[in-house]
Amino acid sequence: AQTVTQSQPEMSVQEAETVTLSCTYDTSESNYYLFWYKQPPSRQMILVIRQEAYKQQNATENRFSVNFQKAAKSFSLKISDSQLGDTAMYFCAFTPHGGANSKLTFGKGITLSVRP
Amino acid sequence: SQTIHQWPATLVQPVGSPLSLECTVEGTSNPNLYWYRQAAGRGLQLLFYSVGIGQISSEVPQNLSASRPQDRQFILSSKKLLLSDSGFYLCAWSVGPFEAFFGQGTRLTVV
Repeated sequence: AQTVTQSQPEMSVQEAETVTLSCTYDTSESNYYLFWYKQPPSRQMILVIRQEAYKQQNATENRFSVNFQKAAKSFSLKISDSQLGDTAMYFCAFTPHGGANSKLTFGKGITLSVRP
Repeated sequence: SQTIHQWPATLVQPVGSPLSLECTVEGTSNPNLYWYRQAAGRGLQLLFYSVGIGQISSEVPQNLSASRPQDRQFILSSKKLLLSDSGFYLCAWSVGPFEAFFGQGTRLTVV
């Protein structure tokens, strides 16, 4: 079974600074995908970034980047130049590549507050 | 384009009453479908997922059930609601290992 662990329940960062959100996972799959989702106060889930496990290069989307360490099963999200609009709950998620067990599993989430 | 409809947005139900939440997807075929529950300020708990019509996997034994009568329709039900069923329910779909798309959610309050 797949598990996703986000051990930090809350974090706070000053506007314009950088923050890193941690995530670890456990799986016996060799090919899978990892995601970070954002849930703002509106509660609409939004995809932030996606990483394919077979790609060694870390994914980057504007101010968002990941540090993917496959051997350590670690997948952290770095937010650069934090903005007030980044205040939200962030979820790390995992899905295997395919097959009947292709469910999407989320961590418990972390609440990020960006201070002005 | 793909869209997902989830309704109702808000629901207040008495203890012991039945429940039916519906989710429909447009613009895609044979999606994986999911029901999640989120307690206030908490994470997402996967309740059910489905990889095809009539195929339902239950993640957490509880007072709820799910059905998928059509390819793009996913229904969450209960025969008798409990106070502990209160929460925010999210429906989502995905195709393969790509991103999941979420509905707007249903806030259920059991009184």
